Amino acid sequence: EAGVAQSPRYKIIEKRQSVAFWCNPISGHATLYWYQQILGQGPKLLIQFQNNGVVDDSQLPKDRFSAERLKGVDSTLKIQPAKLEDSAVYLCASALRDTPYGYTFGSGTRLTVV
Amino acid sequence: AQSVTQLDSQVPVFEEAPVELRCNYSSSVSVYLFWYVQYPNQGLQLLLKYLSGSTLVKGINGFEAEFNKSQTSFHLRKPSVHISDTAEYFCAVSEVDTNAGKSTFGDGTTLTVKP
Repeated sequence: EAGVAQSPRYKIIEKRQSVAFWCNPISGHATLYWYQQILGQGPKLLIQFQNNGVVDDSQLPKDRFSAERLKGVDSTLKIQPAKLEDSAVYLCASALRDTPYGYTFGSGTRLTVV
Repeated sequence: AQSVTQLDSQVPVFEEAPVELRCNYSSSVSVYLFWYVQYPNQGLQLLLKYLSGSTLVKGINGFEAEFNKSQTSFHLRKPSVHISDTAEYFCAVSEVDTNAGKSTFGDGTTLTVKP
């Protein structure tokens, strides 16, 4: 089966600019997660979707970050405006359902804010 | 809330030697436990998971892990490592019967296998 697709792979922007990341999960996976992985740290959950509804966005900095999952399939994560501390790898993961049998991760988008 | 501590940030080891990567967790409820591997410029790949039953869990690439409830640990082991095992390894925990599916990750252990 095809894996979790993410684009772009790399992005360099200046601070205060905006950026968007795209994720296409594995077909049939109802649950989708966005994680932020800062260099030298483990992934930190930003937002969890179940189909097209938000399950948990408690760790999402809502003043600058937004995410949506239209039609319960693809998802986009946006940052506006970006700060230097947003430099990280943004990982998308999907799971067959909301029981924790393990995720399938995409390759991530490496964001550098200069 | 749950948390994960990976006790070693870096583990260097020679090829064909055994290795243990240590993971301790904290949670007030029952948990599921996972180990993931991340190769350079790639996403995380599930190595193995403990959901219930036998405390010794076998995964891919010859890795295994043992769940120890009394010590709140889930250490990863491999009896003989290869150069290709060089990667970052992450331990993760999810709480049973709560926000199902959400995992908390440790900060990772870099395993470097030397010839």
